[in-house]
Amino acid sequence: SYVLTQPPSVSVAPGKTARITCGGDNIGSAGVHWYQQKPGQAPVLVIYFDSDRPSGIPERFSGSNSGNTATLTISRVEAGDEADYYCQVWDSSGDHRVFGTGTKVTVL
Amino acid sequence: EVQLVESGGGLIQPGGSLRLSCAASGFTVSPNSMSWVRQAPRRGLEWVSVIYRGGTAYYADSVKGRFTISRDNSKNTLYLHMNSLRADDTAVYYCVSESFNPPYYFDYWGLGTLITVSS
Repeated sequence: SYVLTQPPSVSVAPGKTARITCGGDNIGSAGVHWYQQKPGQAPVLVIYFDSDRPSGIPERFSGSNSGNTATLTISRVEAGDEADYYCQVWDSSGDHRVFGTGTKVTVL
Repeated sequence: EVQLVESGGGLIQPGGSLRLSCAASGFTVSPNSMSWVRQAPRRGLEWVSVIYRGGTAYYADSVKGRFTISRDNSKNTLYLHMNSLRADDTAVYYCVSESFNPPYYFDYWGLGTLITVSS
């Protein structure tokens, strides 16, 4: 089955930029989606189709995807961005959905 | 406003069965593919199952043969029938709706319902 690998944690100072990677075999050919999950809450979609933002998501959130790595970038990080972030793809070979291992973003 | 409300969770003994329900409002389940996603305590997200508009279903290897997803369009409700439950099925189970077209993403999430499998 398809595996998506994320760093367990990323720490960033307020106002700086956080980059969260999602590694997978030829992930650049898939559409990657990203979710934010705060403690005790359901996940929220923040990026879909590699780089599109749902309505209501700040422009500070952006995404890119190429080769074997997709990246979620959070610019001008705020305390409220502290959360777990998950990447996700659709595995067309088995018609499964696959989540990454998750990254905890800590705002220093 | 779209709302997905799960119910049916609770404490169940290993080997037992349970049925989860997900009632939708402000949203029609029939034209969409719908999934269940779970999250074990202090763990990451795990996709469980999907049912497409036409009724075709797929399952994660960890639940295949034990879980069955279904949908009642007249009640606008999604279900997950779970048999032969194991301790590692303990998790919060989320009902989620999917985008219309691939590559599929999850656009609306319920609040989740907790299942604890323990003797």
